[in-house]
Amino acid sequence: ETGVTQSPTHLIKTRGQQVTLRCSSQSGHNTVSWYQQALGQGPQFIFQYYREEENGRGNFPPRFSGLQFPNYSSELNVNALELDDSALYLCASSQRRGMNTEAFFGQGTRLTVV
Amino acid sequence: KQEVTQIPAALSVPEGENLVLNCSFTDSAIYNLQWFRQDPGKGLTSLLLIQSSQREQTSGRLNASLDKSSGRSTLYIAASQPGDSATYLCAVQGAGGTSYGKLTFGQGTILTVHP
Repeated sequence: ETGVTQSPTHLIKTRGQQVTLRCSSQSGHNTVSWYQQALGQGPQFIFQYYREEENGRGNFPPRFSGLQFPNYSSELNVNALELDDSALYLCASSQRRGMNTEAFFGQGTRLTVV
Repeated sequence: KQEVTQIPAALSVPEGENLVLNCSFTDSAIYNLQWFRQDPGKGLTSLLLIQSSQREQTSGRLNASLDKSSGRSTLYIAASQPGDSATYLCAVQGAGGTSYGKLTFGQGTILTVHP
């Protein structure tokens, strides 16, 4: 158990809809990152939030957006869903400590777009 | 742009064998390298974290080494067990700026240990 929890665990949406995924970070962690993992692939970095501000973004379009709240929990929002958005979405939390941070992942949210 | 490659893509071994999983990365400017385990449809479990200044880390039957200058890491699993069957992923954390905290992953090695 990492202490990182994601909800929901599974979700089915229709193309064109919008979805919000949630993540509660491990106690004491101030940084949350989101990753997309397509079937058979390694996770791809979407973006990271540190102290409620976006702090780095991967190669994802603006319809992928996020928030981090004062308690360091986070949301990932995806608008205008496409079939290719079907994937496992992973949240990772970490505590910035000098130059090295160990990332702890939640169990993921499986999103299916039909 | 950092690229991470894992070899082999899949590995099937009998129980009790010692085995080595390989990971290579193209940009040696990293803060650390992490090895993860992923069971089917599940999240990632951190196995070992090696900081850029370290050469290896050990946890139980697992030993990971890092050669930053050549861009390589290996994960050694001793006396493999069927419960070790999973996908193993390595990830590097880039150094500095907006790379801080960002992990770049390989595609993973699917390990099957049969009784």
